[in-house]
Amino acid sequence: ILNVEQSPQSLHVQEGDSTNFTCSFPSSNFYALHWYRWETAKSPEALFVMTLNGDEKKKGRISATLNTKEGYSYLYIKGSQPEDSATYLCAFTGTASKLTFGTGTRLQVTL
Amino acid sequence: KAGVTQTPRYLIKTRGQQVTLSCSPISGHRSVSWYQQTPGQGLQFLFEYFSETQRNKGNFPGRFSGRQFSNSRSEMNVSTLELGDSALYLCASSRPRDRAPNEQYFGPGTRLTVT
Repeated sequence: ILNVEQSPQSLHVQEGDSTNFTCSFPSSNFYALHWYRWETAKSPEALFVMTLNGDEKKKGRISATLNTKEGYSYLYIKGSQPEDSATYLCAFTGTASKLTFGTGTRLQVTL
Repeated sequence: KAGVTQTPRYLIKTRGQQVTLSCSPISGHRSVSWYQQTPGQGLQFLFEYFSETQRNKGNFPGRFSGRQFSNSRSEMNVSTLELGDSALYLCASSRPRDRAPNEQYFGPGTRLTVT
């Protein structure tokens, strides 16, 4: 059974704060690590797909890093805004093509 | 380009009944995966279909089944519904792995309530 774990479970920050979340995954049979943002009443939206150890991806104020040797990825949000409020999911893909998701980090950004 | 569509969006069924949910992938996507999300749980993988064949299967009982048609549209069926089957069912489509590392595009989901 694959274990993908995310921490913290939830987070409450103020507008302008920077924050980061952790995703840990099996380091063997690694193929890709995905980050999704899931806003209430919407579909999960892909943020990043990373495949190489040391990968860093950036989209606006959001960035992610990947360490496949030790099995973790960080997602960073710089200068959080209320519209960043969502659940952030990571998902691991191994040799099988299915995605195994973590339970997510729920972020609430207040004014 | 149209996104992934799922029908119906909401459904109420009674214990013991069966239900069929439908998913139309993005044009050109041949892989369709299904997930179940219940309160407090992450997205649980149900199964994946590619070119009309089930390629992967999660740890769900045989009451959960699916199929894929030649146009890549997929259906999932749940027979003998139980209260615990109440959940949001999401489907996601993706391009072949050799073109993209299994980046999946999700539909809006079907909210199933079993009473």
